Amino acid sequence: KQEVTQIPAALSVPEGENLVLNCSFTDSAIYNLQWFRQDPGKGLTSLLLIQSSQREQTSGRLNASLDKSSGRSTLYIAASQPGDSATYLCAVRPGNTGKLIFGQGTTLQVKP
Amino acid sequence: DTAVSQTPKYLVTQMGNDKSIKCEQNLGHDTMYWYKQDSKKFLKIMFSYNNKELIINETVPNRFSPKSPDKAHLNLHINSLELGDSAVYFCASSREADPEGRGYTFGSGTRLTVV
Repeated sequence: KQEVTQIPAALSVPEGENLVLNCSFTDSAIYNLQWFRQDPGKGLTSLLLIQSSQREQTSGRLNASLDKSSGRSTLYIAASQPGDSATYLCAVRPGNTGKLIFGQGTTLQVKP
Repeated sequence: DTAVSQTPKYLVTQMGNDKSIKCEQNLGHDTMYWYKQDSKKFLKIMFSYNNKELIINETVPNRFSPKSPDKAHLNLHINSLELGDSAVYFCASSREADPEGRGYTFGSGTRLTVV
């Protein structure tokens, strides 16, 4: 049974810092892995998706990596800004089904 | 705008009532989903439909009944609402085969409060 874990659960950093959010999963047979952002009271915004055959994806200040063999993904945020404050969710799509299995999220606060 | 749209955004109702949440996507996706986000913000799948056919039903009480009139719509009807049904319900869509890596698109959520 696939399980997804995100560490840390919460993170508070000063503006300008580079930071890394971690996601681990128990079954390496995945179709893809997707990172989302959720602002309080809002829906989910897709940030990056990494296919099972890929090692990383980049969008602006965000870089996501995938190591299937070790069951890990990281989301790197460069030069953090207060507007980055949100909950970041990692979700794995198993290989044999279309559903997503979510981690419990990392709540990030970037202080001015 | 291409999107997943769900209505209503907020729903407050009394225990025992029956309510529906509607969802529509104009992304041309063939698969639609309902997810539930509990008070601890944990998201879990409830149902999945592919081309109007139910393919996932994750141990959800029979009081919850999804209906897909066509592949662009997936509605959720809830009978005899209970206090524990209070949560945020998200609709989402994707392609079953996703070689381009477009992934999921989520709606903005429906916050259901049962009083």
